Amino acid sequence: EVQLLESGGGVVQPGGSLRLSCAASGFIFSSYAMSWVRQAPGKGLEWVSAITAGGGTTYYADSVKGRFTISRDNSENTQYLQMNSLRAEDTAVYYCAKGVGATGKKTLDYWGQGTLVTVSS
Amino acid sequence: QSALTQPASVSGSPGQSITISCTGTSSDVGRYGYVSWYQHHPGKAPKLMIYDVTNRPSGVSDRFSGSKSGNTASLTISGLQAEDEADYYCSSYTTSTTVIFGGGTKLTVL
Repeated sequence: EVQLLESGGGVVQPGGSLRLSCAASGFIFSSYAMSWVRQAPGKGLEWVSAITAGGGTTYYADSVKGRFTISRDNSENTQYLQMNSLRAEDTAVYYCAKGVGATGKKTLDYWGQGTLVTVSS
Repeated sequence: QSALTQPASVSGSPGQSITISCTGTSSDVGRYGYVSWYQHHPGKAPKLMIYDVTNRPSGVSDRFSGSKSGNTASLTISGLQAEDEADYYCSSYTTSTTVIFGGGTKLTVL
């Protein structure tokens, strides 16, 4: 059974940093691309970032480019999202999601339950 | 890039059929056959219902179907059931090599 467990959320001040983790199990982690998607309170889903299976290529939404960094450790079956220079508008539930295939970000076939990030002074 | 356009809400009675539209542009929905639909019960993990416009993942009921015409994709749910009540989101690959979601549609089963 595929499981994705996010952690690392919390309350942080504007301008601060936070690192999210997503521990994966139930599939060959190193064979699949991974993504992060967020949902601000009362809003819809917003794609944030993706990383290919080997970690060699990364993609970012314009809203987070230059501030967020996605990475993965295939030996630990874990992906990360390093979030710097956080803004109030980054407040959201952040979901970890598995892509279809080694480069897949077009289709996300399994999702975690999310971790809440609140940016507030 | 603006979100794909979905109706904020739709409703239907048990047993009826409903369709949710998802309108994009020639840079996303109209350009590629990579439209997905997700079901989201608040507080739970989103679930993939349709991918590549028309394909259903294993385990998803055949009451769910997808289609596309031009820049607009659609999700149809036939034989509505109470458990279908949820938020539904479309997504599409874009020419910027990113992914864009719709604003979401709240489905109410009357």
